[in-house]
Amino acid sequence: QSALTQPPSASGSPGQSVTIPCTGTSSDVGGYNFVSWYQHHPGKAPKLMIYEVSKRPSGVPDRFSGSKSGNTASLTVSGLQAEDEADYYCSSYADSRWVFGGGTKLTVL
Amino acid sequence: QVQLVESGGGVVQPGKSLRLSCAASGFTFGSNAMHWVRQAPGRGLEWVAFISYEGSIKYYADSVKGRFAISRDNSKNTLYLQVNSLRAEDTAVYYCAKDLSTHYSCDYWGQGTLVTVSS
Repeated sequence: QSALTQPPSASGSPGQSVTIPCTGTSSDVGGYNFVSWYQHHPGKAPKLMIYEVSKRPSGVPDRFSGSKSGNTASLTVSGLQAEDEADYYCSSYADSRWVFGGGTKLTVL
Repeated sequence: QVQLVESGGGVVQPGKSLRLSCAASGFTFGSNAMHWVRQAPGRGLEWVAFISYEGSIKYYADSVKGRFAISRDNSKNTLYLQVNSLRAEDTAVYYCAKDLSTHYSCDYWGQGTLVTVSS
């Protein structure tokens, strides 16, 4: 069982928006503003999409945004595109360790 | 550009050991902390270990504490993971990742090396 809880799947049509939640506890998500989101296409290297809850690394489209409320962080992908289809993982720093969610498979219909 | 290339994986019997390596290039390796993260077949990502830029600070997941050891050689731009007393549940793709300094994230990842523990 993963430390952070994500839905196993999410989907949306091209152009739509989808939000993926990530629920933790006050010891991880709720206790630190160090939530990250990673995109992972199977067989490839994971890619950092969001760090520190809502910051985007250079080169990540602004269609990707992050937020947090209490013990739950969220990744929103707006204007869905076919290449957004991938697995998405949240992660949080938690006092000398890092924890990941179980991953959400995003399908673009 | 940043490149991380893992090696050292393979098929190993339960109880045996392996040393994984991660060759880094395209950035100042000795100025950056590093991580190992793994993914078991059909499972999600699991953080394994962290090492500070100079190697003095090391953190481990509870699942590997006492069996795995992270280290680095900044003169060779290489990160290591010594994996001992291997169990079937250690079967996974092992990724090395560069730490995004002070931001508690991993900004670059390698392609991974597969470790299969089987008799």
